[in-house]
Amino acid sequence: DAKTTQPPSMDCAEGRAANLPCNHSTISGNEYVYWYRQIHSQGPQYIIHGLKNNETNEMASLIITEDRKSSTLILPHATLRDTAVYYCIASYGKLTFGQGTILTVHP
Amino acid sequence: DVKVTQSSRYLVKRTGEKVFLECVQDMDHENMFWYRQDPGLGLRLIYFSYDVKMKEKGDIPEGYSVSREKKERFSLILESASTNQTSMYLCASSDPLDRNYGYTFGSGTRLTVV
Repeated sequence: DAKTTQPPSMDCAEGRAANLPCNHSTISGNEYVYWYRQIHSQGPQYIIHGLKNNETNEMASLIITEDRKSSTLILPHATLRDTAVYYCIASYGKLTFGQGTILTVHP
Repeated sequence: DVKVTQSSRYLVKRTGEKVFLECVQDMDHENMFWYRQDPGLGLRLIYFSYDVKMKEKGDIPEGYSVSREKKERFSLILESASTNQTSMYLCASSDPLDRNYGYTFGSGTRLTVV
């Protein structure tokens, strides 16, 4: 797995977009970018993944730069329930979790 | 929805005991994984399996073994529990042919070894 770098923490106001960055400058051509989140006392939850193109699903959008060295997870309208640790992973096979970003959504 | 069920939410065992942590998934997934999670260290992969009877060491396999006799069940075994194995243990499964759902995790087993 390529090493990923995320800010340790971020804040966001409820109702605003949360933009979580991730750097994966050593990503190889066949490695996907995955995002998971973990709400306290639960197992991680899959959010979204992508290879080259930007992706969107009901939970979030994923923007991957053209050189694939970084990506941004966008939660378009953050709610208090989005407060969690967010993990960015660059991998082809098994997943290696880093420390992630603690996102706090406040009223 | 895929469900990954871990048999116990909380477990307390004595040092030296043999401990079995059970994980069952109901979606016919090929891949199954065991992680442990500790404060400041994140999730670390212990063992994984891509098929029945098959197992591969993860990043921290020492002190652990696994068993996968049936596709839906993946057991983590602590041969002789020690206090440094006190941790949250998380099981996950995935379908290698469908990335759209990623890994599905269980709720975790919080093991305390005293």
